[in-house]
Amino acid sequence: AQSVTQLGSHVSVSEGALVLLRCNYSSSVPPYLFWYVQYPNQGLQLLLKYTSAATLVKGINGFEAEFKKSETSFHLTKPSAHMSDAAEYFCAVSNTGGFKTIFGAGTRLFVKA
Amino acid sequence: EAQVTQNPRYLITVTGKKLTVTCSQNMNHEYMSWYRQDPGLGLRQIYYSMNVEVTDKGDVPEGYKVSRKEKRNFPLILESPSPNQTSLYFCASIVSISGLLTDTQYFGPGTRLTVL
Repeated sequence: AQSVTQLGSHVSVSEGALVLLRCNYSSSVPPYLFWYVQYPNQGLQLLLKYTSAATLVKGINGFEAEFKKSETSFHLTKPSAHMSDAAEYFCAVSNTGGFKTIFGAGTRLFVKA
Repeated sequence: EAQVTQNPRYLITVTGKKLTVTCSQNMNHEYMSWYRQDPGLGLRQIYYSMNVEVTDKGDVPEGYKVSRKEKRNFPLILESPSPNQTSLYFCASIVSISGLLTDTQYFGPGTRLTVL
């Protein structure tokens, strides 16, 4: 069975600081991995996805994530936080050939001025 | 413009009163899915559909029904809503090729349901 664990339900950073949101997954098959962002009162928007190509994936808004199979991790980073990055972030996993997507519980990012 | 639409966006109802939340997509996607979002639990899949007349249960299907009579529509039906179904609901669609999930899920704006 697949599962996703996001470490930290809340993360607070200062504007301009590094953003690191952690995601660990379990999957019996090579997974598809995703990061989504949800702004208040909106639906989810895809930030980036890993689908067995390059292990370092670049997404929108300056975010990137690295797939580390040995650590079963897919952490999301951004070198310099901006106030507009304040949102909730979800990591998700889906197995190839399947149609079920498992989401993590989410991490809310706060950015301090 | 490619989009997934949901109606209504907000709904307050009472226990036991049947309701339907509609979902429609204009991208000709085969795959559609319903999720509920609850604080601290993330999104949990309720039902999904691989194509017209093909549906399957997700992780939390109890108390819900779906139908897929047309490719573009995937309504979520609560025959007898209960307070524990108070939640934020999202519909999503995605194109599948040869049975493989190969692309991004497009999410609707959400429906906030309150069952009193």
